[in-house]
Amino acid sequence: DAGVTQSPTHLIKTRGQQVTLRCSPKSGHDTVSWYQQALGQGPQFIFQYYEEEERQRGNFPDRFSGHQFPNYSSELNVNALLLGDSALYLCASSWNSEQYFGPGTRLTVT
Amino acid sequence: EDQVTQSPEALRLQEGESSSLNCSYTVSGLRGLFWYRQDPGKGPEFLFTLYSAGEEKEKERLKATLTKKESFLHITAPKPEDSATYLCAALGGGGGADGLTFGKGTHLIIQP
Repeated sequence: DAGVTQSPTHLIKTRGQQVTLRCSPKSGHDTVSWYQQALGQGPQFIFQYYEEEERQRGNFPDRFSGHQFPNYSSELNVNALLLGDSALYLCASSWNSEQYFGPGTRLTVT
Repeated sequence: EDQVTQSPEALRLQEGESSSLNCSYTVSGLRGLFWYRQDPGKGPEFLFTLYSAGEEKEKERLKATLTKKESFLHITAPKPEDSATYLCAALGGGGGADGLTFGKGTHLIIQP
């Protein structure tokens, strides 16, 4: 059984650009959450998707947006990238309260 | 606002030297307390879920416990492969949404 998968693994972007990150949930999971983890910090909750709707959002600006598809996979979009957006972006899937994480996408903004 | 604080920030132990990691939480209406293990550059690996005070869960050399204000991760006779960052996360509130609040983690090093 494949776990949570994310693509790409690494990404380098320039300030002001836009980026799209992708996530496929674990089989049988219908809920996807996105987190941002800066170096040396714990993950910070960005938002959660369920039934193709954003169900909850953390303290992140509107530059961060997402989407969930009918097959439960999800995308995270970040517009107008800032240097401070450099981080490990984690996707987690769940069907109850237990969240299982993917390997993450390392985003570097230069 | 939900808060999770972990201590110590870093811990260095000799192989076989048992110890405990602490996670203090301030959460409105705790619905679950979670422990994860994270290796450098990788995603967190799920370890335990605790739902109510007094609950305990065990897995190999790890045991997690929960009180009304904090959780402990006890590590018995650790081995070098137990070296990792251990993250604690809390799920609070209602409304059905499940955004976790994480602590900063405890960086554990087990020396042979």
